[in-house]
Amino acid sequence: DQQVKQNSPSLSVQEGRISILNCDYTNSMFDYFLWYKKYPAEGPTFLISISSIKDKNEDGRFTVFLNKSAKHLSLHIVPSQPGDSAVYFCAASFHSGGGADGLTFGKGTHLIIQP
Amino acid sequence: GAGVSQSPSNKVTEKGKDVELRCDPISGHTALYWYRQSLGQGLEFLIYFQGNSAPDKSGLPSDRFSAERTGGSVSTLTIQRTQQEDSAVYLCASSLVRQKRYQETQYFGPGTRLLVL
Repeated sequence: DQQVKQNSPSLSVQEGRISILNCDYTNSMFDYFLWYKKYPAEGPTFLISISSIKDKNEDGRFTVFLNKSAKHLSLHIVPSQPGDSAVYFCAASFHSGGGADGLTFGKGTHLIIQP
Repeated sequence: GAGVSQSPSNKVTEKGKDVELRCDPISGHTALYWYRQSLGQGLEFLIYFQGNSAPDKSGLPSDRFSAERTGGSVSTLTIQRTQQEDSAVYLCASSLVRQKRYQETQYFGPGTRLLVL
């Protein structure tokens, strides 16, 4: 049973346009969400995060939106650049007792930026 | 280097053999995590350590899998009697756990690609 779902295995966007990557989750206990970016043969690289007390977090070209009622989050990249071509993973966690927890990941979306 | 390092980067083994995978976390990071990514799948959480102890072993897929961490630093993941379905990329991550919530971003190593023939 997948608790974090990325329903688009791939997404193709023209350079300069906005890329929107979507993620849905089923566990209402999740209260911290992250996006990671992964290039081939490398480990995932942290991109941006958001806690459940917020509905938006912005960092340069990257913005993450959280809709708790819909259990949905999205990552917006604008403008998209060729170096953004990678696999993007959505991840979620919840804190029980304030300790660290393993992240629950989606299967990833392969973003392809076309020149 | 300042990042998480893992060794070996690639490992090919025969079915039934034991393998050991190593992770060197970022200096000062008290939490360490192991994940694996099978072909076409997302990252699957295996185990995490807080210091040398592993309060959460729920993700280990079978009793052939074990992990230890000594000195609050290096960790090894051991897979005994490997099976072909163990073939995957094994990723290690570390984080600086603080009292305050929402500050536990995990930083990943490059992974070990394991192929069981």
